[in-house]
Amino acid sequence: QSALTQPASVSGSPGQSITISCSGPSSGFAGYSYVSWFQQHPGKAPKLLIYDVTNRPSGVSDRFSGSKSGTTASLTISGLQTDDEADYYCATYITSSTLLYVFGTGTKVTVL
Amino acid sequence: EVQLVQSGAEVKKPGESLRISCQGSGYIFTSHWIGWVRQMPGKGLEWMGVIYPPDSDTRYSPSFQGQVTISVDKSARTAYLHWSSLKASDSAMYYCVRRDCGSTGCPLDYWGQGTLVTVSS
Repeated sequence: QSALTQPASVSGSPGQSITISCSGPSSGFAGYSYVSWFQQHPGKAPKLLIYDVTNRPSGVSDRFSGSKSGTTASLTISGLQTDDEADYYCATYITSSTLLYVFGTGTKVTVL
Repeated sequence: EVQLVQSGAEVKKPGESLRISCQGSGYIFTSHWIGWVRQMPGKGLEWMGVIYPPDSDTRYSPSFQGQVTISVDKSARTAYLHWSSLKASDSAMYYCVRRDCGSTGCPLDYWGQGTLVTVSS
């Protein structure tokens, strides 16, 4: 399965809002309702930020929000902070017998 | 507290075998699938496969089928990733991850700290 497409980089100043997109194939995946977003700081394991398109696990800041329109999902970070500088990955779960997950290509967020 | 603790970094030669581990704690180990994710140096995340501890039902990504073996010892609360003959291209960080089907999309909610595998002659 092809990876989901994300912009290579997005930047913003502290306090601003930024949005990262995640695009799937035009025909769509059956499981495209199950988009997750992960944050990965350098040298660290990924951390779940958003699941099932819009839901936040407990403990994740409400500055992180998810949405979807058609076959494009988005992660918005509001009130950008220096600690938000990291790599971000979307992922979707393909509902098939293979229990296959597909990750996005990843986006480097830089806080200016 | 849910934790996935992985075994330490490994340095191996091409052709050698290797098994790395991932021990779960703080939750009912047999209630959740455990998956493995590869991250090559400077690259993105790649899904390798997943195993269900109660019956060892295993599903592989087509890209990794036949290249690795995923197994589990439910009594030890530990999942494993095994290579029978390593290649230099297997050099990467490997993460184990818990799959939580308490939510409809079965998100990957807890990750191990990663095991760095270096294969070099």
